[in-house]
Amino acid sequence: TQLLEQSPQFLSIQEGENLTVYCNSSSVFSSLQWYRQEPGEGPVLLVTVVTGGEVKKLKRLTFQFGDARKDSSLHITAAQPGDTGLYLCAGAIHDMRFGAGTRLTVKP
Amino acid sequence: SAVISQKPSRDICQRGTSLTIQCQVDSQVTMMFWYRQQPGQSLTLIATANQGSEATYESGFVIDKFPISRPNLTFSTLTVSNMSPEDSSIYLCSVPVDSHSGANVLTFGAGSRLTVL
Repeated sequence: TQLLEQSPQFLSIQEGENLTVYCNSSSVFSSLQWYRQEPGEGPVLLVTVVTGGEVKKLKRLTFQFGDARKDSSLHITAAQPGDTGLYLCAGAIHDMRFGAGTRLTVKP
Repeated sequence: SAVISQKPSRDICQRGTSLTIQCQVDSQVTMMFWYRQQPGQSLTLIATANQGSEATYESGFVIDKFPISRPNLTFSTLTVSNMSPEDSSIYLCSVPVDSHSGANVLTFGAGSRLTVL
């Protein structure tokens, strides 16, 4: 069983559409991170959320940390082909654990 | 944040052989981490490489299979020993983004993609 459950596992959308991906856990985290990984590259940190209920925006990406600090969501507005990649959430209890990821494909 | 260089970036290996992956960081870091990413999967922590002491391995990973060296604060190696096709994965080196974030926020190398035939 994954400590962090991500959904959906795969998502294929058209350019311009909006989407939300989710990261859920039964555990409480002091912080959660979101990474994006493109083929042939390592994961790149997008954001860290720390406070329950926190919302952070990074251009067209909006990240939210649940009030209970057990879950997080990533919303992308007007997706572009450059958003294509594997989106990973991660959190640390004793060590850093990663969710299985959401593989997003944005078609032009 | 630190910049990480890994090599090789990719390799094709024969069953039964061993391969050493190198990780070079452009600044001194206390903790370095090695992760494995199997095809279509997420990241699994193999071990924490500690300078001046033996690496700390996660459950399911052993030193005989994945020996690690950490000769100084900027360099580490991971060897995948006696490889089998099940070892085909991307192996990633990572370090904390900065000293303030501790081990909770990481930056990664580009990874070493191993294919074992």
